[in-house]
Amino acid sequence: DTTVKQNPRYKLARVGKPVNLICSQTMNHDTMYWYQKKPNQAPKLLLFYYDKILNREADTFEKFQSSRPNNSFCSLYIGSAGLEYSAMYLCASSDRVSNERLFFGHGTKLSVL
Amino acid sequence: GQQVQQSPASLVLQEGENAELQCNFSTSLNSMQWFYQRPGGSLVSLFYNPSGTKQSGRLTSTTVIKERRSSLHISSSQTTDSGTYLCAIHNYAQGLTFGLGTRVSVFP
Repeated sequence: DTTVKQNPRYKLARVGKPVNLICSQTMNHDTMYWYQKKPNQAPKLLLFYYDKILNREADTFEKFQSSRPNNSFCSLYIGSAGLEYSAMYLCASSDRVSNERLFFGHGTKLSVL
Repeated sequence: GQQVQQSPASLVLQEGENAELQCNFSTSLNSMQWFYQRPGGSLVSLFYNPSGTKQSGRLTSTTVIKERRSSLHISSSQTTDSGTYLCAIHNYAQGLTFGLGTRVSVFP
């Protein structure tokens, strides 16, 4: 679904360095999500914004931060990358009021070295 | 236990064969979706199917909420159908929860 865009497509980061991933959507959806996908594992929900309210999963609470400066944009921030952060990061959006269908971006593949 | 269970874990088909992928869920849901996972890991939405049957080309999805199950039927499989198929359920408390997927391999 090209209406959810993620940048960059590939990201190389050094251990201990910060990482910032960007997502945008043009559907005026009220909810935006970030998922982490590792090989042979189901996508894992990290956090989601409903409007301006951020909900973070308990087990990833301290590892990831996010901001949503406006309805269209949402970022995922890693303060200090570790090897275990290497994964595909998927952004998605949905409209809670009219339709819960999630639309995903192409993802950002993060490699931490 | 796992809230979303998919079966089989993997499936090998000869081109032209039909296949049925199953998704069973153990929790209440608002909706469910089927996705195709690209080789790079990104997801393509196939069906958004809270209940009933939907068809798109050679793919058919049937969801029976009261029985907590959904199926994805692939008819006349082609080599381009090879990949991983994920089902996911959505509820307001937990967002979208994915199964581990079914890896489909179609050979000529």
